[in-house]
Amino acid sequence: EVQLLESGGGLVQPGGSLRLSCAASGFTFSSYAMSWVRQAPGKGLEWVSAISGSGGSTYYADSVKGRFTISRDNSKNTLYLQMNSLRAEDTAVYYCAKTPLAYCGGDCYFDYWGQGTLVTVSS
Amino acid sequence: SYVLTQPPSVSVAPGKTARITCGGNNIGSKSVHWYQQKPGQAPVLVIYYDSDRPSGIPERFSGSNSGNTATLTISRVEAGDEADYYCQVWDSSSDLPVVFGGGTKLTVL
Repeated sequence: EVQLLESGGGLVQPGGSLRLSCAASGFTFSSYAMSWVRQAPGKGLEWVSAISGSGGSTYYADSVKGRFTISRDNSKNTLYLQMNSLRAEDTAVYYCAKTPLAYCGGDCYFDYWGQGTLVTVSS
Repeated sequence: SYVLTQPPSVSVAPGKTARITCGGNNIGSKSVHWYQQKPGQAPVLVIYYDSDRPSGIPERFSGSNSGNTATLTISRVEAGDEADYYCQVWDSSSDLPVVFGGGTKLTVL
């Protein structure tokens, strides 16, 4: 059974940093691209970032480019999102999502999602 | 960046058919994926590559895509289908390659 378990969310001040983790199990982690998708309170889904199965290719939404860094440790079956220079508009539930493809070059969609971790940016 | 347009809400009586549209410029040339999200829960993939259903998704859920509109159709709607539904595409030419529609709230009357 595929399981994705996010952690690391919490309350942080504007300008601060936070690192999210997503522990994966139930599939060969290194074979699949992974993404972070967020959802602000009462709003729709917004894709944040993606990384190929090998970790060699990364993609970012313009809204986070230069501030967020996606990475993965295939030996630990774990996905990360390092978030720096956080802003109030980054407040959201952050979901870890699996792609049934090795990389997101030709298409990208999400067959499994974690339950999410809440990030609140406020003073 | 590429824009996907969904109606904010759709209402349907139990047992009837619900159709949720997703509009985009020449969307028929792209693959469209659909997600269902119930309150307080993570999204669930219900349709991928326009019309394929993941295992475990009822046959009542179907999809189509042509021209400037993709459609998610839910036949014989049940109370448990009440949720938000999002369409999504990959736009390789955009700075925002993964694009979600704004979501449609399906209300079962």
